[in-house]
Amino acid sequence: AQSVTQLDSHVSVSEGTPVLLRCNYSSSYSPSLFWYVQHPNKGLQLLLKYTSAATLVKGINGFEAEFKKSETSFHLTKPSAHMSDAAEYFCVVSDPFSGTYKYIFGTGTRLKVLA
Amino acid sequence: NAGVTQTPKFQVLKTGQSMTLQCAQDMNHEYMSWYRQDPGMGLRLIHYSVGAGITDQGEVPNGYNVSRSTTEDFPLRLLSAAPSQTSVYFCASSRRGLAGTAWGNEQFFGPGTRLTVL
Repeated sequence: AQSVTQLDSHVSVSEGTPVLLRCNYSSSYSPSLFWYVQHPNKGLQLLLKYTSAATLVKGINGFEAEFKKSETSFHLTKPSAHMSDAAEYFCVVSDPFSGTYKYIFGTGTRLKVLA
Repeated sequence: NAGVTQTPKFQVLKTGQSMTLQCAQDMNHEYMSWYRQDPGMGLRLIHYSVGAGITDQGEVPNGYNVSRSTTEDFPLRLLSAAPSQTSVYFCASSRRGLAGTAWGNEQFFGPGTRLTVL
């Protein structure tokens, strides 16, 4: 069965320092993986997605994520945090052999950026 | 191109009242879903549709009904509102993916409806 675990519910970083948001997944085969961002009182916006092409995926606003099958991880990184990155981030998995149209969401990581 | 639109943005109901949350998309996406978002629980799937006339239940369907008569619209009905349905509701759409699953295609989300049931 598919599942997603976001290892930290809250992360705080200083502006200008690196960001690491951790995501581990469980899937029966090669999944597609997504990271979404949700700013306060807004809908979800896609940051990046992985669909079995290059394992290092670049997204919008300087974010990237690396798919590591051996570790079943898809961690999100950014070299230098900006105040505007403060938001909630969701890791999402979809399994092609699930037989259903379903995306499985992690419980989210709230990123705080300190001035 | 408006993407996914939802109305209303905010709603307050009394226990036992019924209402419909509206969702529309203009991207000709086959798949549409309704989620609710509660603190610390991520997004949970209520109902989804893989095309006009086809709907199915998600993980938290009780107390909600859906129908899909057109590709564009996917309304969510609360039959008899309860305080446990206080939440933020999101509608999303996507293209059909590999082998008819969600694989490979991202969802596009509406701005959400914040519902309070007193």
